[in-house]
Amino acid sequence: GIQVEQSPPDLILQEGANSTLRCNFSDSVNNLQWFHQNPWGQLINLFYIPSGTKQNGRLSATTVATERYSLLYISSSQTTDSGVYFCAANFNTDKLIFGTGTRLQVFP
Amino acid sequence: GAGVSQSPSNKVTEKGKDVELRCDPISGHTALYWYRQSLGQGLEFLIYFQGNSAPDKSGLPSDRFSAERTGGSVSTLTIQRTQQEDSAVYLCASSSSGGAYETQYFGPGTRLLVL
Repeated sequence: GIQVEQSPPDLILQEGANSTLRCNFSDSVNNLQWFHQNPWGQLINLFYIPSGTKQNGRLSATTVATERYSLLYISSSQTTDSGVYFCAANFNTDKLIFGTGTRLQVFP
Repeated sequence: GAGVSQSPSNKVTEKGKDVELRCDPISGHTALYWYRQSLGQGLEFLIYFQGNSAPDKSGLPSDRFSAERTGGSVSTLTIQRTQQEDSAVYLCASSSSGGAYETQYFGPGTRLLVL
C-alpha cells in the first residue's frame, strides 16, 4: 500500500546545530507538505513542495519527485524548533497521508 | 477568519455518551477535512467535504462516526456512544478549492478524552 516514511524518528540537537530530516514516499505524489507540530499540538505549515527546492529563513526543503523523497533542512537550530515534524502527501486523492514524524529536541 | 478554528479545545466525556466537535474553516475555503491523531495510529484521514457534500468518507472508523457540513462553511463531527479508543486529537483542515494539489491548513484540534 501507499506509505510515507520519515527518518530519523528522534533527533536531539544542541542549539546552533544543523539537521536534515528525510521523508520517503512509495508512489508519485501530487502534493508534499511539511508541518511542524508545536508543543501545543498545532500543525504549522512549513512548505508546500511537490518538487524542487524552497527556502524560508533557516528552513529549506527539497523534493526529488523522481526518486520519491523529500528533505527538510534546519540550520542554526533554536530551542523553539523543538517539536514533531511531519511530512504528508497526496497520492491522486484529496486526503493527505502522513508520515510517522520526526521528534526534534533542541537543547540550549 | 484568519485561520481554521475548532471547538471545544478539550472535551472529557464518559463512555457511551455522544459528542459533537465543531470546525470553522478559513473563510472562502470550499474544501474541509477531518483527521484524527492518536497514540497508536498516528495522523489519519477521516472525511473530506467539498461544499456540503462528502465525496470521501473512507476514513470514518465505524458507523458511530458521522459528519455534516452546512452552508458550505461550518462542519460538525459527531461521535455516538463514545468508546475509550475514540480518545484522540481531532484535527480539521481546509483548502481553497480542494483537490490533490492544494495546500491544507490545520486548526488547533479538539482533544477528546473518553473515560
